[in-house]
Amino acid sequence: GQNIDQPTEMTATEGAIVQINCTYQTSGFNGLFWYQQHAGEAPTFLSYNVLDGLEEKGRFSSFLSRSKGYSYLLLKELQMKDSASYLCAVRDSNYQLIWGAGTKLIIKP
Amino acid sequence: DGGITQSPKYLFRKEGQNVTLSCEQNLNHDAMYWYRQDPGQGLRLIYYSQIVNDFQKGDIAEGYSVSREKKESFPLTVTSAQKNPTAFYLCASSMSPDSSYEQYFGPGTRLTVT
Repeated sequence: GQNIDQPTEMTATEGAIVQINCTYQTSGFNGLFWYQQHAGEAPTFLSYNVLDGLEEKGRFSSFLSRSKGYSYLLLKELQMKDSASYLCAVRDSNYQLIWGAGTKLIIKP
Repeated sequence: DGGITQSPKYLFRKEGQNVTLSCEQNLNHDAMYWYRQDPGQGLRLIYYSQIVNDFQKGDIAEGYSVSREKKESFPLTVTSAQKNPTAFYLCASSMSPDSSYEQYFGPGTRLTVT
């Protein structure tokens, strides 16, 4: 079966750095996406990785290792507004997105 | 302003009633999707459409129906056959289903059936 694993919840301090991991087992791989979702709202796109390595976008970076079936999202200089759920999704061989359950990130002052 | 709209934001229905959730996009996207989100679970695909007048079942299509008569619109009907309809429903669109383009989401409709 297809599976995406992420930690359920993480806590970090304002101004710090946090890394959210995602491991996947899917039938085929055509890219990995990270989305941010605030409670009760729609997910919004953060990053896309299809090749191994690090993609940096401002305070957010995303890393992919296809051989290990592993990705992480790195958030730097955490702000209170970063409190949200972070969703990892993998596009499989049928070009459908398989979604993880999300990681709820709690930022403390 | 381009985007996806879903209405209403909150919807209440009695058990046994069919209900239709609206989804409209003005992004000129070919592909549209319906997902269901339940607490502690990832988004699950209900139906998707890659082109007008064509749609395919996702992983949990039972008890749901859709239509795609216009490029801009992809309404979802939750029928009385759906055993656990209470959930947060998200509509999304993307420029093309088989590319690196991300999916854009509407604000969602929270459906409560009692």
